[in-house]
Amino acid sequence: QKEVEQDPGPLSVPEGAIVSLNCTYSNSAFQYFMWYRQYSRKGPELLMYTYSSGNKEDGRFTAQVDKSSKYISLFIRDSQPSDSATYLCAMSVIQGAQKLVFGQGTRLTINP
Amino acid sequence: GAVVSQHPSWVICKSGTSVKIECRSLDFQATTMFWYRQFPKQSLMLMATSNEGSKATYEQGVEKDKFLINHASLTLSTLTVTSAHPEDSSFYICSARAWALAGVVLDEQYFGPGTRLTVT
Repeated sequence: QKEVEQDPGPLSVPEGAIVSLNCTYSNSAFQYFMWYRQYSRKGPELLMYTYSSGNKEDGRFTAQVDKSSKYISLFIRDSQPSDSATYLCAMSVIQGAQKLVFGQGTRLTINP
Repeated sequence: GAVVSQHPSWVICKSGTSVKIECRSLDFQATTMFWYRQFPKQSLMLMATSNEGSKATYEQGVEKDKFLINHASLTLSTLTVTSAHPEDSSFYICSARAWALAGVVLDEQYFGPGTRLTVT
C-alpha cells in the first residue's frame, strides 16, 4: 500500500465548476500537508500548505485536512481553463519542508 | 522571490556517458536541496537530500555511486548521472528549502523547472 493515495484521473470539468481533489494517507505521523500544481514538463509550484486539521483558504483555493480520517482535499472555486494542470498532494512527517512524500497527481482539465 | 533554476532543461546523451545537472537557488540561500525523479504520468520520487558542505543522504534503492550529488555552495547543487543507460531516462527535478525570504520566516520547498534526460 502506498503511503499516499491520489486518484490520477483524468478529471475534466466545465469552466466555472467547483473542483474537488483528494488524497488519503496511511501514515498517521504526517503533520505537514501541501498541494502543488504542475504544468506539463515543468516543476511543481506550491499552492497551499497547512500544518493542522481544518480549512485554509487562499483566493479561489481551499485546502482541507482531516487527520482523524487521514484525508486531505483541495477545492477550486470558479475554475478557469488556466487551472488545467496536474495537482499533486504532498506530505511530510518532519516539521517543515523535508522529505516530502507525493501522491501520484490528478490531471485536471477545465473546458471553456 | 524563491526562484530555483535548473540547467540544462533538456539533455540527450549516449549510453555509457555521464551527465551533470545543475540546480541553483537564485534569490535565497539553501542549506538543503532535494533531488527527485519523475517518470511519465507518475509522481515525484525523492532520490536524495543534499546538505551544503556534507555528503548527500540517499533514499533506499538509489545508487549513490551512479547518482553523484555535490552541494558545494549555499546556492548550487549538482546531480551527475554516471554511465547513463536508457532506463535512466526521466525527468529530474530539484528543490531548495527556503528558511526565510525578504525577512519573512518560512520553511518551504521551491522546485526547479526540471531537466528532461534522454539516454540513447
